[in-house]
Amino acid sequence: NAGVTQTPKFRVLKTGQSMTLLCAQDMNHEYMYWYRQDPGMGLRLIHYSVGEGTTAKGEVPDGYNVSRLKKQNFLLGLESAAPSQTSVYFCASSRDTYEQYFGPGTRLTVT
Amino acid sequence: QQQVKQSPQSLIVQKGGISIINCAYENTAFDYFPWYQQFPGKGPALLIAIRPDVSEKKEGRFTISFNKSAKQFSLHIMDSQPGDSATYFCAASMASGSRLTFGEGTQLTVNP
Repeated sequence: NAGVTQTPKFRVLKTGQSMTLLCAQDMNHEYMYWYRQDPGMGLRLIHYSVGEGTTAKGEVPDGYNVSRLKKQNFLLGLESAAPSQTSVYFCASSRDTYEQYFGPGTRLTVT
Repeated sequence: QQQVKQSPQSLIVQKGGISIINCAYENTAFDYFPWYQQFPGKGPALLIAIRPDVSEKKEGRFTISFNKSAKQFSLHIMDSQPGDSATYFCAASMASGSRLTFGEGTQLTVNP
């Protein structure tokens, strides 16, 4: 089992560019999450999904969109990147509302 | 109502000492309280978790103490080692919810 994988690991974008982060899990989990982690801010939930075809907003959803077309994949999109979106992004999945398994993270820099 | 407050933000302990990190919550519907450990450049990983029907849970050198009436829980790391140096997050969730609520994190440094 690979667990939770994230693609890419690193990315540098110019302001206004768009990109998609891919999260994949092979544990057949229903729940998937996208977080951003900034120094001193902890883990902040961007969007989450409670099952295939569903998405919901978290604490900091502005500037991001998500899709969960397949149960094993959760995509995070940035339509027009801004420097404020420079962060480390983590995907997580869980079988229920309890233990979450995290991916290794994507470090995004927006210049 | 959904917040989990964590303290301290950072902690420096000598090797062999006890590390203590505290968390407080407001929502009495929370019924699961995990601690996550995160090493630099890695994603957080579950370290230990407790349900509110017990006041303490121990796994090796790591212990969670839970005080339901005070709505507080804490992580104790006994005989702290340099390899324990990491960021620790407390969290809380409930069966009727859909996600974990995380504390702000504590950066622990254990000096040799």
